[in-house]
Parts: sequence; C-alpha cells; structure tokens
Amino acid sequence: QVQLQESGPGLVEPSQTLSLTCSVSGGSINSGGFYWSWTRQHPGKGLEWIGYVFSGGGTYYNPSFKSRVTISMDTSENRFSLILNSVTAADTALYYCARGRASRGVRFDYWGQGTLVTVSS
Amino acid sequence: QSVLTQPPSVSGAPGQKVTISCTGSSSNIGAGYDVNWYQQLPGTAPKLLIYDNDNRPSGVPDRFSGSKSGASASLAITGLQAEDEADYYCQSYDSSLSGPEVFGGGTKLTVL
Repeated sequence: QVQLQESGPGLVEPSQTLSLTCSVSGGSINSGGFYWSWTRQHPGKGLEWIGYVFSGGGTYYNPSFKSRVTISMDTSENRFSLILNSVTAADTALYYCARGRASRGVRFDYWGQGTLVTVSS
Repeated sequence: QSVLTQPPSVSGAPGQKVTISCTGSSSNIGAGYDVNWYQQLPGTAPKLLIYDNDNRPSGVPDRFSGSKSGASASLAITGLQAEDEADYYCQSYDSSLSGPEVFGGGTKLTVL
C-alpha cells in the first residue's frame, strides 16, 4: 500500500520560499512511470493543481505558478519536493502531495493527508 | 474560475439519486480527454472515486458511476447515504494555458 506524507514549515514569511517534502512509502518513486504531484486547497475552497514530476523525467506545471515553482525528486530518499518562491498571503493553503497514475489520462490515486502552510509575518 | 464548471451544490434525500455535472470545453473534455472524479469528506484528503470517465477503483461502491458525453461528464450517486455528504471534484487534462491538469470548482453534496 502506497502512502504519502507531507512535511515542512507550517509558517512562511511573505516574499520567502515555501519548501515542502513528500515522503513516499510502499513503492519506489523511481519506477512505474508515475507522476508525483502537488495540489493545494485554499481554506474553504476547491482544489488547485500545482504541478508534477514524472518518474521517467520531466516536470509539468500549472502556468499560474510556472515562474515561481520547482518540483523535484530525491530518489535516494524516496521523496519529492515542492519549492514555491516569493510567497504571499494568497499562498496560504493546505498543500497535498499525490501520486499520479497514467492510463488514458493522469489520475491521482494516492494522496497525502495534507499540510497547512500559512504565509504571514 | 475553473475551466471545468460544476454546480456549487446539490442535495438529495437518503435513498435517492443525485447527479453532478462537470462541463468543459474543446480544450479538455470536448477534445476527448478523460475525466476523473474525487470525493473529499470533511477534513480529509481527496479520494479517487471514478477514473477514465466510468471506472471505479477497487473498494468504491457501485452506487457511484461516471459518464461522459461531448464536452461534459457526470457523476451519479444512487441509493444516497448520509456518509456520501462530501465535496466532489472532477479533473481532466487541458491543452490550453490552464493545464495540463485541471480540477472543477467542486460540488458540495448535502444529504437531507
């Protein structure tokens, strides 16, 4: 059973960098052709896809974030990360990591429990 | 404003059937891309409910079904139960500047 767990600071100051890690257990992130993904949810709002890194190589981002976001894999630690630069209060949200599985499209079949990040001084 | 449009809310009595729509465009569902559905119970992470338009992952009751026609998709829930009260989201691929992956705005299902 694949499990994902987000970790990182719960509080980030405006203009600083948000950095989160998603640790994966129950399978290697380097195999199987999966898309390791980040999605966020503003309080009381809907889901917003941020981007993903493909285990076979390549990253894909929501154009809304493209200039500020980097998603990368650390295969030695079996985890992947999200870096979001120049954060503002609008980046306060619950951040989820998930595994994307491709068939005819990409579906997110395993999710972490989410981690709340507040941007405030 | 999501490129996939869902009704903000739907409701139904226990035992009834409800349907949640997800309307897209020629850059996503209308282009033939498949639709996935997620259920988010209060205070929990989303859970995959339907994938590739009409497939249920193992463990999802057959009360839940999905369909797609043209640029729209639908999630149907029959035999409504109290524990179905949740937020539901559709998701698909989008070939425009909104993508590649996009979620609908979500629909709150209330079981009366």
